[in-house]
Amino acid sequence: AQKITQTQPGMFVQEKEAVTLDCTYDTSDQSYGLFWYKQPSSGEMIFLIYQGSYDEQNATEGRYSLNFQKARKSANLVISASQLGDSAMYFCAMREDFILTGGGNKLTFGTGTQLKVEL
Amino acid sequence: DTEVTQTPKHLVMGMTNKKSLKCEQHMGHRAMYWYKQKAKKPPELMFVYSYEKLSINESVPSRFSPECPNSSLLNLHLHALQPEDSALYLCASSPGQGEDQPQHFGDGTRLSIL
Repeated sequence: AQKITQTQPGMFVQEKEAVTLDCTYDTSDQSYGLFWYKQPSSGEMIFLIYQGSYDEQNATEGRYSLNFQKARKSANLVISASQLGDSAMYFCAMREDFILTGGGNKLTFGTGTQLKVEL
Repeated sequence: DTEVTQTPKHLVMGMTNKKSLKCEQHMGHRAMYWYKQKAKKPPELMFVYSYEKLSINESVPSRFSPECPNSSLLNLHLHALQPEDSALYLCASSPGQGEDQPQHFGDGTRLSIL
């Protein structure tokens, strides 16, 4: 069975600073994918970034980058130049290694990290 | 604005009521999902529809009844709910082609059971 672990229930960061949110995973699958989502207090889950297990380069999307260390089974999210609007809950998720009949995927979520950006 | 639209945004109902949650997407996605999320917890998968057919039912109680009338619409029919069913209900969709496509979520429906 797959497992995602986020060990930081809460994090604080100063505006304009960089912050790293930790995510470790456990899987016996050779092929897997890792996703990061942001959830503001309004409730919507916003997709941020994706890393495939066979991707050789670390994923980047604007101010978001993923520090993927396959041997250590970690996929940490790095947010550069934090903004007040980055304050939210952040979830790491892993795709389970099977394809649903007809398409789609099944995700295992971590417990989340509540990030607060301060002035 | 999200590309997955959920209505209503808030719903208060009694334990004997029947109500429905609605989810709509016009991105041409062929997989649609219902999640339940309690405060400060990760979303829990309830149902998955792939090409309008139910692919996954995560042993959800029968008081929750999903329906996928067409490729753009997903409903969740509610009947005889319990107070512990109070939660944020999230709908999501994904292309259905390729397992590593991200799921796109709606804003959710905040459900309170009296």
